[in-house]
Amino acid sequence: AQTVTQSQPEMSVQEAETVTLSCTYDTSESDYYLFWYKQPPSRQMILVIRQEAYKQQNATENRFSVNFQKAAKSFSLKISDSQLGDAAMYFCAYRSAVLQGGSEKLVFGKGTKLTVNP
Amino acid sequence: ETGVTQTPRHLVMGMTNKKSLKCEQHLGHNAMYWYKQSAKKPLELMFVYNFKEQTENNSVPSRFSPECPNSSHLFLHLHTLQPEDSALYLCASSQVMVPQAFFGQGTRLTVV
Repeated sequence: AQTVTQSQPEMSVQEAETVTLSCTYDTSESDYYLFWYKQPPSRQMILVIRQEAYKQQNATENRFSVNFQKAAKSFSLKISDSQLGDAAMYFCAYRSAVLQGGSEKLVFGKGTKLTVNP
Repeated sequence: ETGVTQTPRHLVMGMTNKKSLKCEQHLGHNAMYWYKQSAKKPLELMFVYNFKEQTENNSVPSRFSPECPNSSHLFLHLHTLQPEDSALYLCASSQVMVPQAFFGQGTRLTVV
């Protein structure tokens, strides 16, 4: 079974600075997806960024980028120019690319609470 | 707004009550999920439905009973719950060829 580990329960960053959230995962599969989701106090889980395992290039979405190290099974999220609205719980998640009834499920880490200080 | 709507947003129920949580998606997705989010624990998958058929039950106690009448609606029927069932219940949906899931805002359930 796949597992996702986020070793930083809490992180803080100053507004306008850069922060990196860590995520490692364990899988025997070669084809899969990795995600970072953000959950603000409103509770809605919002997709931040997605990475396909077969792609060597790291995904980027505006101020958000990832460092995907497939061999090391590491998937960190970098937030540049942090804003107050970035404060939230961040969850790393894994999904198999094999479609076998139920395998579309997401496996989540425990989350990292990010605080942005003005 | 992700296109997935959950009602109610908050629910307080006694251990002998029967209540239902509702999830609706207007995204044309074929898969729907129930997740449980408790404090200090990872999100736990409860049920998966693909094209209205249940494809996964993650050893969920029978006091939780899901129902998926069509690809757009998903219910979670609750009866004789325990205080430890208090949690945020999240519904999500996805499409087979699109890997990410879209989540609702959740129902905060408190069992008293």
